[in-house]
Amino acid sequence: EPEVTQTPSHQVTQMGQEVILRCVPISNHLYFYWYRQILGQKVEFLVSFYNNEISEKSEIFDDQFSVERPDGSNFTLKIRSTKLEDSAMYFCASSERLVSRTQFFGPGTRLTVL
Amino acid sequence: AQTVTQSQPEMSVQEAETVTLSCTYDTSESDYYLFWYKQPPSRQMILVIRQEAYKQQNATENRFSVNFQKAAKSFSLKISDSQLGDAAMYFCAYRSSTSGTYKYIFGTGTRLKVLA
Repeated sequence: EPEVTQTPSHQVTQMGQEVILRCVPISNHLYFYWYRQILGQKVEFLVSFYNNEISEKSEIFDDQFSVERPDGSNFTLKIRSTKLEDSAMYFCASSERLVSRTQFFGPGTRLTVL
Repeated sequence: AQTVTQSQPEMSVQEAETVTLSCTYDTSESDYYLFWYKQPPSRQMILVIRQEAYKQQNATENRFSVNFQKAAKSFSLKISDSQLGDAAMYFCAYRSSTSGTYKYIFGTGTRLKVLA
Protein backbone atom coordinates (compact mmCIF):
# COMPACT_ATOMS: atom_id res chain seq x y z
CA GLU A 1 0.00 0.00 0.00
CA PRO A 2 1.39 3.45 -0.89
CA GLU A 3 2.79 5.45 2.00
CA VAL A 4 4.06 8.94 2.64
CA THR A 5 7.78 8.85 3.36
CA GLN A 6 9.96 11.43 5.09
CA THR A 7 13.69 11.96 5.34
CA PRO A 8 15.66 12.20 7.47
CA SER A 9 14.05 10.46 10.41
CA HIS A 10 16.12 12.58 12.79
CA GLN A 11 17.93 15.84 12.11
CA VAL A 12 20.20 17.60 14.57
CA THR A 13 21.22 21.16 13.80
CA GLN A 14 22.76 24.18 15.42
CA MET A 15 20.65 27.23 16.18
CA GLY A 16 20.68 29.65 13.25
CA GLN A 17 21.32 26.96 10.65
CA GLU A 18 19.02 26.22 7.75
CA VAL A 19 17.33 22.83 7.54
CA ILE A 20 15.32 21.19 4.81
CA LEU A 21 12.91 18.42 5.67
CA ARG A 22 11.87 16.19 2.81
CA CYS A 23 8.69 14.34 2.09
CA VAL A 24 7.53 12.11 -0.72
CA PRO A 25 3.74 12.16 -0.79
CA ILE A 26 1.63 9.38 -2.24
CA SER A 27 2.03 9.59 -5.99
CA ASN A 28 -1.48 10.48 -7.13
CA HIS A 29 -2.15 12.91 -4.30
CA LEU A 30 -2.56 16.58 -5.05
CA TYR A 31 -2.74 18.24 -1.63
CA PHE A 32 0.16 18.41 0.76
CA TYR A 33 0.51 19.46 4.37
CA TRP A 34 3.05 19.99 7.11
CA TYR A 35 2.27 19.65 10.79
CA ARG A 36 4.53 19.75 13.81
CA GLN A 37 4.38 18.37 17.31
CA ILE A 38 6.48 19.85 20.06
CA LEU A 39 7.23 17.19 22.68
CA GLY A 40 4.26 16.73 24.96
CA GLN A 41 2.05 19.10 23.02
CA LYS A 42 -0.62 18.85 20.33
CA VAL A 43 0.01 18.17 16.69
CA GLU A 44 -0.29 21.61 15.06
CA PHE A 45 -1.01 22.56 11.49
CA LEU A 46 1.66 24.56 9.69
CA VAL A 47 0.75 24.81 6.01
CA SER A 48 -1.17 23.29 3.15
CA PHE A 49 -0.06 23.34 -0.47
CA TYR A 50 -1.89 22.76 -3.73
CA ASN A 51 -1.15 23.49 -7.35
CA ASN A 52 2.29 24.83 -6.49
CA GLU A 53 1.12 27.39 -4.03
CA ILE A 54 0.27 27.71 -0.37
CA SER A 55 -3.48 27.36 0.15
CA GLU A 56 -3.51 27.90 3.90
CA LYS A 57 -0.99 28.56 6.65
CA SER A 58 -1.04 28.98 10.39
CA GLU A 59 0.41 31.78 12.46
CA ILE A 60 3.33 29.49 13.25
CA PHE A 61 4.33 29.48 9.59
CA ASP A 62 6.19 32.77 9.53
CA ASP A 63 8.84 34.10 7.16
CA GLN A 64 11.38 31.62 8.51
CA PHE A 65 9.43 28.79 6.93
CA SER A 66 8.93 27.97 3.28
CA VAL A 67 7.62 25.04 1.30
CA GLU A 68 8.38 23.83 -2.16
CA ARG A 69 7.59 21.06 -4.54
CA PRO A 70 10.83 21.09 -6.52
CA ASP A 71 9.94 18.18 -8.75
CA GLY A 72 7.06 15.83 -9.34
CA SER A 73 7.63 13.78 -6.22
CA ASN A 74 9.23 15.70 -3.37
CA PHE A 75 7.63 18.20 -1.02
CA THR A 76 10.01 20.11 1.22
CA LEU A 77 9.81 22.27 4.32
CA LYS A 78 12.65 24.71 4.81
CA ILE A 79 13.44 26.52 8.02
CA ARG A 80 15.86 29.33 7.23
CA SER A 81 17.36 30.09 10.61
CA THR A 82 16.42 27.53 13.20
CA LYS A 83 15.57 28.46 16.76
CA LEU A 84 15.59 26.27 19.86
CA GLU A 85 11.80 26.34 19.87
CA ASP A 86 11.70 24.77 16.40
CA SER A 87 12.70 21.47 17.99
CA ALA A 88 9.76 19.21 17.29
CA MET A 89 8.47 16.28 15.28
CA TYR A 90 7.48 17.40 11.80
CA PHE A 91 4.85 15.41 9.95
CA CYS A 92 4.12 15.58 6.26
CA ALA A 93 0.70 14.53 4.97
CA SER A 94 -1.03 14.29 1.65
CA SER A 95 -4.55 13.79 0.38
CA GLU A 96 -5.87 12.70 -2.96
CA ARG A 97 -8.33 15.52 -3.28
CA LEU A 98 -10.09 17.91 -0.98
CA VAL A 99 -13.35 16.04 -1.05
CA SER A 100 -11.64 12.91 0.20
CA ARG A 101 -10.92 14.77 3.44
CA THR A 102 -8.61 12.02 4.64
CA GLN A 103 -4.98 12.90 5.01
CA PHE A 104 -2.26 10.27 4.96
CA PHE A 105 0.67 10.96 7.23
CA GLY A 106 4.37 10.21 7.03
CA PRO A 107 6.38 8.84 9.96
CA GLY A 108 7.79 12.24 10.83
CA THR A 109 11.19 13.89 11.12
CA ARG A 110 12.44 14.64 14.59
CA LEU A 111 14.25 17.98 14.48
CA THR A 112 16.57 18.82 17.34
CA VAL A 113 17.98 22.33 17.47
CA LEU A 114 20.97 22.78 19.78
CA ALA B 1 -11.77 28.82 16.73
CA GLN B 2 -12.29 25.13 16.93
CA THR B 3 -10.69 23.06 19.67
CA VAL B 4 -10.35 19.35 20.34
CA THR B 5 -9.90 17.91 23.82
CA GLN B 6 -8.79 14.44 24.82
CA SER B 7 -8.99 14.29 28.58
CA GLN B 8 -7.37 10.89 29.04
CA PRO B 9 -3.59 11.06 28.59
CA GLU B 10 -3.29 7.32 29.11
CA MET B 11 -5.60 4.32 29.21
CA SER B 12 -5.05 0.63 29.83
CA VAL B 13 -7.13 -2.32 28.74
CA GLN B 14 -6.83 -6.06 29.13
CA GLU B 15 -6.43 -8.04 25.96
CA ALA B 16 -9.84 -9.08 24.56
CA GLU B 17 -11.63 -6.43 26.60
CA THR B 18 -13.34 -3.27 25.40
CA VAL B 19 -12.07 0.26 25.92
CA THR B 20 -13.50 3.67 25.12
CA LEU B 21 -11.37 6.71 24.39
CA SER B 22 -12.98 10.11 24.86
CA CYS B 23 -12.86 13.15 22.63
CA THR B 24 -14.80 16.38 22.85
CA TYR B 25 -14.62 19.32 20.52
CA ASP B 26 -15.87 22.83 20.26
CA THR B 27 -17.14 24.41 17.07
CA SER B 28 -19.83 26.74 15.85
CA GLU B 29 -20.06 24.95 12.51
CA SER B 30 -22.83 22.53 11.68
CA ASP B 31 -20.94 20.51 9.09
CA TYR B 32 -17.48 19.08 9.66
CA TYR B 33 -15.51 15.86 9.78
CA LEU B 34 -14.07 13.97 12.71
CA PHE B 35 -11.29 11.42 12.68
CA TRP B 36 -9.47 9.00 14.92
CA TYR B 37 -5.87 8.30 14.02
CA LYS B 38 -3.63 5.66 15.55
CA GLN B 39 0.11 6.18 15.92
CA PRO B 40 2.07 3.06 16.90
CA PRO B 41 5.52 3.68 18.42
CA SER B 42 7.92 5.12 15.83
CA ARG B 43 5.37 4.73 13.06
CA GLN B 44 3.16 7.09 11.15
CA MET B 45 -0.36 8.04 12.04
CA ILE B 46 -2.89 5.89 10.27
CA LEU B 47 -6.58 6.53 9.94
CA VAL B 48 -8.74 4.38 12.18
CA ILE B 49 -12.17 5.78 11.50
CA ARG B 50 -13.89 8.82 10.08
CA GLN B 51 -17.26 10.42 10.75
CA GLU B 52 -19.09 13.03 8.73
CA ALA B 53 -21.10 15.31 11.00
CA TYR B 54 -24.14 15.28 8.72
CA LYS B 55 -24.45 11.53 9.13
CA GLN B 56 -26.46 10.44 12.12
CA GLN B 57 -25.26 6.87 11.96
CA ASN B 58 -22.14 6.12 13.95
CA ALA B 59 -19.18 4.94 11.87
CA THR B 60 -17.80 1.45 12.40
CA GLU B 61 -14.70 -0.28 11.10
CA ASN B 62 -14.43 -3.86 12.24
CA ARG B 63 -13.56 -3.74 15.97
CA PHE B 64 -13.56 0.06 16.02
CA SER B 65 -16.69 2.13 16.40
CA VAL B 66 -17.54 5.63 17.43
CA ASN B 67 -20.22 7.19 19.57
CA PHE B 68 -20.88 10.51 17.87
CA GLN B 69 -23.04 12.84 19.92
CA LYS B 70 -23.35 16.00 17.85
CA ALA B 71 -25.33 18.03 20.34
CA ALA B 72 -22.88 17.20 23.10
CA LYS B 73 -19.92 17.66 20.75
CA SER B 74 -18.54 14.31 21.75
CA PHE B 75 -16.79 11.75 19.58
CA SER B 76 -15.59 8.71 21.50
CA LEU B 77 -13.81 5.69 20.07
CA LYS B 78 -14.69 2.19 21.22
CA ILE B 79 -12.25 -0.63 20.63
CA SER B 80 -13.75 -4.07 21.08
CA ASP B 81 -11.80 -7.28 21.62
CA SER B 82 -8.60 -5.32 22.21
CA GLN B 83 -5.44 -6.80 20.76
CA LEU B 84 -1.79 -6.24 21.61
CA GLY B 85 -1.38 -4.51 18.27
CA ASP B 86 -3.87 -1.85 19.31
CA ALA B 87 -1.31 -0.38 21.69
CA ALA B 88 -0.55 3.07 20.33
CA MET B 89 -1.17 6.77 20.69
CA TYR B 90 -4.67 7.68 19.51
CA PHE B 91 -5.42 11.15 18.20
CA CYS B 92 -8.82 12.67 17.67
CA ALA B 93 -8.97 15.28 14.89
CA TYR B 94 -11.47 17.78 13.52
CA ARG B 95 -11.68 19.18 10.04
CA SER B 96 -13.96 21.96 8.95
CA SER B 97 -16.05 21.58 5.84
CA THR B 98 -15.65 25.28 5.06
CA SER B 99 -14.16 25.79 1.64
CA GLY B 100 -10.55 26.89 1.85
CA THR B 101 -9.91 25.30 5.23
CA TYR B 102 -8.39 21.87 5.02
CA LYS B 103 -6.29 21.65 8.15
CA TYR B 104 -6.83 19.14 10.87
CA ILE B 105 -7.14 20.27 14.46
CA PHE B 106 -5.82 17.60 16.79
CA GLY B 107 -6.31 16.69 20.40
CA THR B 108 -3.35 15.96 22.63
CA GLY B 109 -3.71 12.22 22.23
CA THR B 110 -4.42 9.22 24.44
CA ARG B 111 -1.79 6.55 24.92
CA LEU B 112 -3.43 3.14 24.98
CA LYS B 113 -1.69 0.24 26.69
CA VAL B 114 -2.95 -3.28 26.10
CA LEU B 115 -2.17 -5.73 28.86
CA ALA B 116 -1.66 -9.40 28.09
